[in-house]
Amino acid sequence: AQSVTQLGSHVSVSEGALVLLRCNYSSSVPPYLFWYVQYPNQGLQLLLKYTSAATLVKGINGFEAEFKKSETSFHLTKPSAHMSDAAEYFCAVSDTPDSSASKIIFGSGTRLSIRP
Amino acid sequence: DGGITQSPKYLFRKEGQNVTLSCEQNLNHDAMYWYRQDPGQGLRLIYYSQIVNDFQKGDIAEGYSVSREKKESFPLTVTSAQKNPTAFYLCASTFADRASTDTQYFGPGTRLTVL
Repeated sequence: AQSVTQLGSHVSVSEGALVLLRCNYSSSVPPYLFWYVQYPNQGLQLLLKYTSAATLVKGINGFEAEFKKSETSFHLTKPSAHMSDAAEYFCAVSDTPDSSASKIIFGSGTRLSIRP
Repeated sequence: DGGITQSPKYLFRKEGQNVTLSCEQNLNHDAMYWYRQDPGQGLRLIYYSQIVNDFQKGDIAEGYSVSREKKESFPLTVTSAQKNPTAFYLCASTFADRASTDTQYFGPGTRLTVL
């Protein structure tokens, strides 16, 4: 079965610094991978997704993620953090993507704080 | 505007009461989902439905029930059998034939507190 592990439940960076949120996945088939963002007391919003078209995926708000099969990783990065990036970020993997009865498996989340 | 609405935003329940959380979407999506979110545990799937009048249990279905009488609506009932219902509940939807690869659209959530 597919699963994702997010390393670090809380990450704090200074405004203008590099953001790196780590995600490792486990999958017996080529995975579909997602990053979602959640602002306080709101639902989740898709940042980006990997569907095997390109290993470097660009998303909204300047975020990008690179799929590395050899490392089973899909880390999220942003070159320069902004105060508005403070939120919780979830990595997710598709369960059995070749099936119509499949689901999304979410990681436990990483809370990103931005220091002025 | 297309989207997903959840109501109420905040809900308080006394122990032993059943409560129903509303989820409505006008995105013409076939598949709908209910998740429970607790601090540090991410999202856990309660129930999902890929077509009207059909639904499947997720990972934590005990103490919950759902119905799918209309494509647009997927209400969740938290019953008195759910021992620890205080949580943030999120509803989501997507196209059923691309459920595993397409974006899930989320509602704003309902925060349920048991008094």
